[in-house]
Amino acid sequence: KAGVTQTPRYLIKTRGQQVTLSCSPISGHRSVSWYQQTPGQGLQFLFEYFSETQRNKGNFPGRFSGRQFSNSRSEMNVSTLELGDSALYLCASSLEGSTGLGTSYEQYFGPGTRLTVT
Amino acid sequence: QQQVKQSPQSLIVQKGGISIINCAYENTAFDYFPWYQQFPGKGPALLIAIRPDVSEKKEGRFTISFNKSAKQFSLHIMDSQPGDSATYFCAASIRGTYKYIFGTGTRLKVLA
Repeated sequence: KAGVTQTPRYLIKTRGQQVTLSCSPISGHRSVSWYQQTPGQGLQFLFEYFSETQRNKGNFPGRFSGRQFSNSRSEMNVSTLELGDSALYLCASSLEGSTGLGTSYEQYFGPGTRLTVT
Repeated sequence: QQQVKQSPQSLIVQKGGISIINCAYENTAFDYFPWYQQFPGKGPALLIAIRPDVSEKKEGRFTISFNKSAKQFSLHIMDSQPGDSATYFCAASIRGTYKYIFGTGTRLKVLA
């Protein structure tokens, strides 16, 4: 079974621009989460989507947004890029349980998209 | 209360030795504790995970020890190999969600 794929792998943008990153989860996985990884802040949760709905959100400004499609693929968008947005953006997928209550399941990460803002 | 504190920040171990990484948490709502291994240029890879109803879990050379009363858990890598040299992250998830709170990471170097 193929793993989580993310495109593009590398991206260079200019301050003020916007960017869209894409994530394809493992086949059959319905939950997709996004994380930002930086040397200073480590791995920080951005948001999680399930059945095209945002279910959880981290403490990031509204410039960070996402969506999920009916095939579980997800995109995240960052508008008005700032230098501090330079980071590795990681997508993770999970096999949601039948009820989605109580039990937590493993998350499997993709290789990430390295975003550099100049 | 949402933090997961991880130590040490870096660790150097001789080949064949035991690597031990520790994590502590405050939020008693956490009910799932995974460990991830990350190599440079790669995404984190799930190593092993534990639930609070179990005090220890072993998979190959990797063992998680869990102390619910102390709200601490640790990763032991037995017979450490140079190929284990990587950054290790502990994490905790909030009950019923897929929102992981990660520790700050431990950079492990295993000397040949």
